[in-house]
Amino acid sequence: GAVVSQHPSRVICKSGTSVKIECRSLDFQATTMFWYRQFPKQSLMLMATSNEGSKATYEQGVEKDKFLINHASLTLSTLTVTSAHPEDSSFYICSATGGGSSYGYTFGSGTRLTVV
Amino acid sequence: QKEVEQDPGPLSVPEGAIVSLNCTYSNSAFQYFMWYRQYSRKGPELLMYTYSSGNKEDGRFTAQVDKSSKYISLFIRDSQPSDSATYLCAMSGNAGNMLTFGGGTRLMVKP
Repeated sequence: GAVVSQHPSRVICKSGTSVKIECRSLDFQATTMFWYRQFPKQSLMLMATSNEGSKATYEQGVEKDKFLINHASLTLSTLTVTSAHPEDSSFYICSATGGGSSYGYTFGSGTRLTVV
Repeated sequence: QKEVEQDPGPLSVPEGAIVSLNCTYSNSAFQYFMWYRQYSRKGPELLMYTYSSGNKEDGRFTAQVDKSSKYISLFIRDSQPSDSATYLCAMSGNAGNMLTFGGGTRLMVKP
């Protein structure tokens, strides 16, 4: 089945630094990738949608300059949290789809970010 | 009103019980319906993926979609303690488009 690898699984960083999270589709070409944020005991909140080679489309209320998304290839998308602050601490999850109805949407294992 | 409604639970059942999880939705454009299982601090895992109305079975899991009622269900037979997790329904209008999620139902299967 389709596999999406997300790294790192956990990261602790100091306030003011930047953190990069990688999301790779291992056995299919991900034409579209999605980035979500999830707070404890809540559902997933879509942050942005990215198509390979295009600029990401951000959801309302998500700061483009703080959450930089790059989808440079059909197998890799990255989310960079810039100048992180404690309120950015959360669980970040990526999802990828090949676009066809047979692929569905495969999620990465998530990244728990803690900003201290 | 949310576009996709899902009872948050928690739903507690004894081991071996049949579990019924449901979602209702308001957007008639949804055609693709999914059920995900999410363990604590892990990414969602796709359980079932169906297109349009009908039933789909995979092992102990059965997904049902009734587009006329805008209602989808996931049945789990012979539930196991390892099924204890949060179950999320999700749907989209076109393949490759963004998913709209329900809020998730927390299931606890007690030995």
